[in-house]
Amino acid sequence: EAQVTQNPRYLITVTGKKLTVTCSQNMNHEYMSWYRQDPGLGLRQIYYSMNVEVTDKGDVPEGYKVSRKEKRNFPLILESPSPNQTSLYFCASSSESNQPQHFGDGTRLSIL
Amino acid sequence: AQSVAQPEDQVNVAEGNPLTVKCTYSVSGNPYLFWYVQYPNRGLQFLLKYITGDNLVKGSYGFEAEFNKSQTSFHLKKPSALVSDSALYFCAVRVPVPGNTPLVFGKGTRLSVIA
Repeated sequence: EAQVTQNPRYLITVTGKKLTVTCSQNMNHEYMSWYRQDPGLGLRQIYYSMNVEVTDKGDVPEGYKVSRKEKRNFPLILESPSPNQTSLYFCASSSESNQPQHFGDGTRLSIL
Repeated sequence: AQSVAQPEDQVNVAEGNPLTVKCTYSVSGNPYLFWYVQYPNRGLQFLLKYITGDNLVKGSYGFEAEFNKSQTSFHLKKPSALVSDSALYFCAVRVPVPGNTPLVFGKGTRLSVIA
């Protein structure tokens, strides 16, 4: 089954404690993105990758890092999380820029 | 910069009635337009897209959307609403140029279909 898998689905942690949210897709897609969803703001892109070792900042990259060492994986790293990063995070992938994105089921992060 | 507006936070419609969820966009150039639906505790699911060609696009679950270039709109429609259509709907736009052109989302419209 074609899917985008995110882990963990839920995480409560404290300010400053480094965390990684993993994302993996099994569709051999070149394009992958991370979004955060906040009430009243819709989805905003954090980072984007067009292929292995090619990443780019989205609209809200501050406080986040990503890497794309393999085509299927695109982890999101919060080196020093802060409460304003409490949000619902989605990973997505697509084969081309004009193709629909496939979304994971989301990761709800709470930073205390 | 590209942007998407969904002017209604909430749309209520009776089951069996037609529904419309509105979307307008602002881009320079010809856009790629998408509609996604989000059910509780799930990621977004693709409904339909407009890339080029026929202005009326048909998608999943009986939904359709009409691209109107002069009004810069891409409203989502369905002739007969079902209770199971109740969800959060997002319109999104991307400008087809090389490089990182992010998919820009509207803020979402919550559709409630009442039995």
